[in-house]
Amino acid sequence: QQQVKQSPQSLIVQKGGISIINCAYENTAFDYFPWYQQFPGKGPALLIAIRPDVSEKKEGRFTISFNKSAKQFSLHIMDSQPGDSATYFCAAMSIGAQKLVFGQGTRLTINP
Amino acid sequence: DAGVIQSPRHEVTEMGQEVTLRCKLISGHNSLFWYRQTMMRGLELLIYFNNNVPIDDSGMPEDRFSAKMPNASFSTLKIQPSEPRDSAVYFCASSLGTGGNEQYFGPGTRLTVT
Repeated sequence: QQQVKQSPQSLIVQKGGISIINCAYENTAFDYFPWYQQFPGKGPALLIAIRPDVSEKKEGRFTISFNKSAKQFSLHIMDSQPGDSATYFCAAMSIGAQKLVFGQGTRLTINP
Repeated sequence: DAGVIQSPRHEVTEMGQEVTLRCKLISGHNSLFWYRQTMMRGLELLIYFNNNVPIDDSGMPEDRFSAKMPNASFSTLKIQPSEPRDSAVYFCASSLGTGGNEQYFGPGTRLTVT
């Protein structure tokens, strides 16, 4: 029940295209859903996060869509750029428990 | 403003040796998290502290692993004795407060046990 399932494992998108990464969770107690971006040799860094009281959050080219009834959330990267090439992790937390549970990660490659 | 600092960045050791990983929190942060990252298991939370107190160590794989916070800004993760299956990248992260506050990750320590 603590799992967060992420897909796809890897994704190749052309420059200017839309990158979409999906995550699903089981624990209905989760109430905080961040996305982290990790470049090779670096630690993960928070990209964008959402709480379940809204269905969408947008920051620049990055959008989280959240479907509470389906227990799914996704990251959309609009106008994808080569600099977006990185590994992306979705995560979920029950704020009361303070523990982030991470998905397995998606290696995104943006071809120029 | 310095981020989370980890040392060493790389560690190669032989099976059976003691390994100590170090982490310095961002100034003013009071929550500290230790994670392990491997290809097979992804990012796993090992243990976290709040105000120097261990809150949840259920992710610590076995008694060979121990973590301490001797003061509010510093933590160590010790593996004794180390085994090849401990080879991974170990991250620490810090945050201000608890709950849904952003966790800031350090650059990681790549541990190789031969």
